[in-house]
Amino acid sequence: DTEVTQTPKHLVMGMTNKKSLKCEQHMGHRAMYWYKQKAKKPPELMFVYSYEKLSINESVPSRFSPECPNSSLLNLHLHALQPEDSALYLCASSQDGGLARETQYFGPGTRLLVL
Amino acid sequence: QQQVKQSPQSLIVQKGGIPIINCAYENTAFDYFPWYQQFPGKGPALLIAIRPDVSEKKEGRFTISFNKSAKQFSLHIMDSQPGDSATYFCAAFYNQGGKLIFGQGTELSVKP
Repeated sequence: DTEVTQTPKHLVMGMTNKKSLKCEQHMGHRAMYWYKQKAKKPPELMFVYSYEKLSINESVPSRFSPECPNSSLLNLHLHALQPEDSALYLCASSQDGGLARETQYFGPGTRLLVL
Repeated sequence: QQQVKQSPQSLIVQKGGIPIINCAYENTAFDYFPWYQQFPGKGPALLIAIRPDVSEKKEGRFTISFNKSAKQFSLHIMDSQPGDSATYFCAAFYNQGGKLIFGQGTELSVKP
């Protein structure tokens, strides 16, 4: 099973709201990723967690706060977002160590609209 | 240079045609080159991948050709079907940074 699940599928939030995106995988992967994808553009890496520790932060604004509670779960907490943050947020996972990160499996994404 | 350049931006072919999507890179530290297929409203799905020590890899109707000296690689879809209509992204894996670098994407439309 190479499934990564994400909830919710769609989210509409105001600029003062706090919300969270959730991602789950049961493939035993120890690397998990958040990507942001704008329409007709490639995914852009935001964060990488390796063995539940944040290993890469691509200079993402602090209004995005990732969390990895355990090896199967990844959250992205959202606060005081801007309309330009509207996008498809993708979670991915992979094995970790050596070249293992090269094969990443993506979830279906959460479509976020910030009003 | 951590860029991967992909062309064309969009492509229309008739059913049964062979669309070809091209990618080029500069950084010789890239050591793994996957292709992802993305349908509207879905996440990217890994389609096929190749390493630079192999010149060609085929899986079903999908073939990657790789030219290491030219630092170019391409995806060929044999006997294309309307169900192949999607956006295709090439990518390169940068082991030192542990990151996938994506091309800009090609929107493929296969007409019946």
